Amino acid sequence: GAGVSQSPSNKVTEKGKDVELRCDPISGHTALYWYRQRLGQGLEFLIYFQGNSAPDKSGLPSDRFSAERTGESVSTLTIQRTQQEDSAVYLCASSSQGGGANVLTFGAGSRLTVL
Amino acid sequence: DQQVKQNSPSLSVQEGRISILNCDYTNSMFDYFLWYKKYPAEGPTFLISISSIKDKNEDGRFTVFLNKSAKHLSLHIVPSQPGDSAVYFCAASARETSGSRLTFGEGTQLTVNP
Repeated sequence: GAGVSQSPSNKVTEKGKDVELRCDPISGHTALYWYRQRLGQGLEFLIYFQGNSAPDKSGLPSDRFSAERTGESVSTLTIQRTQQEDSAVYLCASSSQGGGANVLTFGAGSRLTVL
Repeated sequence: DQQVKQNSPSLSVQEGRISILNCDYTNSMFDYFLWYKKYPAEGPTFLISISSIKDKNEDGRFTVFLNKSAKHLSLHIVPSQPGDSAVYFCAASARETSGSRLTFGEGTQLTVNP
């Protein structure tokens, strides 16, 4: 597609349930990023995939969070046993190369609300 | 540890005047800086960038200034237009150590009044 697609756009879940968020990057973009934005805060880095290299998971806040990416295509972010503090907008971005001064293109985000 | 800070959560200006958004950083390894604009219910969109080897970059109504010694950058919008009303995020990367991973500030809500 022309842009980064994310689904679902909105998700309401109960505390303790697992959720899965999906990101479809721009075709040909080798790098893919997940960020989250809690209410009133900036964008917080979660994880970064670059080609076939091992992902940079240094931003994942706990072991309840995990992400996968199949080749250079779709990525899923999974949150297990959700907590209320997981409520945020989860943003995915992709770029045409992993290093250098490239620009990240963001999707519209998936808004997660944990009740 | 907030490495990129935008101390003003909001800014209001009149149409036609200049908007100045500020950003401070602490990590001396940052060598590339970007500004993103975000409208409600949309993802952030890239606006303008600057490399640490420059002190100014201009693109139409938008100019970014970088003061490396002060670890400070600013975005100037002139003349401001009502359509510029959005949240503006400052971002930085340390390309040698972290590649293209961006560290973002908290954002500044700009409101341009007609």
